[in-house]
This record gives sequence, C-alpha cells and structure tokens, in this order.
Amino acid sequence: DIQMTQSPSTLSASVGDRVTITCRASQSVLGWLAWYQQKPGKAPKLLMYKTSHLESGVSSRFSGSGYGTEFTLTIYNLQPDDSATYYCQHYNGYPWTFGQGTKVEIK
Amino acid sequence: EVHLVESGGGLVQPGGSLRLSCSISGLSVSSNYMAWIRQAPGQGLEWLSVLYPEGSTYYGDSVTGRFTVSRDDSDNTLFLQMNSLRPEDTAIYYCVKVIPLGAFDIWGQGTTVTV
Repeated sequence: DIQMTQSPSTLSASVGDRVTITCRASQSVLGWLAWYQQKPGKAPKLLMYKTSHLESGVSSRFSGSGYGTEFTLTIYNLQPDDSATYYCQHYNGYPWTFGQGTKVEIK
Repeated sequence: EVHLVESGGGLVQPGGSLRLSCSISGLSVSSNYMAWIRQAPGQGLEWLSVLYPEGSTYYGDSVTGRFTVSRDDSDNTLFLQMNSLRPEDTAIYYCVKVIPLGAFDIWGQGTTVTV
C-alpha cells in the first residue's frame, strides 16, 4: 500500500500569512492527488484534485503543486475561516489512502 | 442539488453486523462511482470501498472479506453491509460520490457506528 505522510502535523500562522503543507507518498502516485479541508464536526470538503485542479467554489487562495512523490498545498493570505485540518489523498491504484492530516491554527 | 444522507449507524456488540444506508438525491447512484469512508474518533480518514457504475467493487485492506458495498438502483440508495464488527470499526461512516477516479467531491453528513 502507498503511505501518505504530511508535514507538519500542526502549524500556527497569522492572518495574511502564506502557509505550505507538504504531502509525501511512499511511491509515485503520478499526479493523482487530492486535498481536503475538514472543520470540527463536519464532513471533509474537497479543495483540489489531480494535484492542482481547484474544485468549483473553492477560493483561489488555495493552490496545489507537485508530482510523483512530493506535493504541496499552499494557502495564500490566510484567513480565520481557514482554521481546519487538511488531508491529502492519493488515488493511483487501490487502496486509496490519506495522509494523517495537518491542523492549521490561526494565531 | 445533490444530497447524501446516511443512516443505520448505532451501537453493536463485537462480532455483530450492521447495514448502513445512504439515501441519494440529485444524482443517480447507478451512474456514478460511490464510496464509503470512515473516521475513527479523533483520527484521520480511511477509505473503505468503492462501487463502480457497472458494478465492480474494491475494498480497503482492513475491511476486505467483512464489508460489502451494494446499491438499489430503484431506491437510489447505497449500502454498506458490515459483518464481524470489531471495536476498531468504531467510527463515523461517510457516503461519498467519487470523481472518476477517484477524488471525493460530495460527502454525506455521516453516521456513527460504535462497536
């Protein structure tokens, strides 16, 4: 199975900052990677698919990049509403697996 | 607008069975890739199963042989039959629509299973 590892596990940043979350795969997933945002008590929300394709309705402050085994999610101009846990997920073959999550806190 | 509404969760003894349902509106279950994902308390996300429009199914390692995904096209409902339940199956179970193949773009609100 492909293991997905996110870093950091938690980050704290200020409103207006640019933050970057990294997701590493134990083997290549090509570009088949998605990112999700989850707020407490809510279902996850798709932010990005196929590495860098922004889901409809998602703010353009979110950006994805990468290929193969290393990917990043960047949040520009961090806003209070961005406080959440973010997950990456590969879909290059079964089983599909998620990273362990990165909790983003606003200072 | 698409809605996925899970039901059927509850408290069950280890070794027991439970059948989850996902009532779908706004899209056809028979024409879409549909999946189940769970989240144990305070933990991350785990993909469990996917059902293709043509009927193929795939499962995660931890549930293979115990869980079965199916659908009722006439009722537009997705199911997850869960057998031989273990305490580690305790989680919120989400019904999700899959973008082929396969980010998860539409999620239900989840149903809680406690073993």
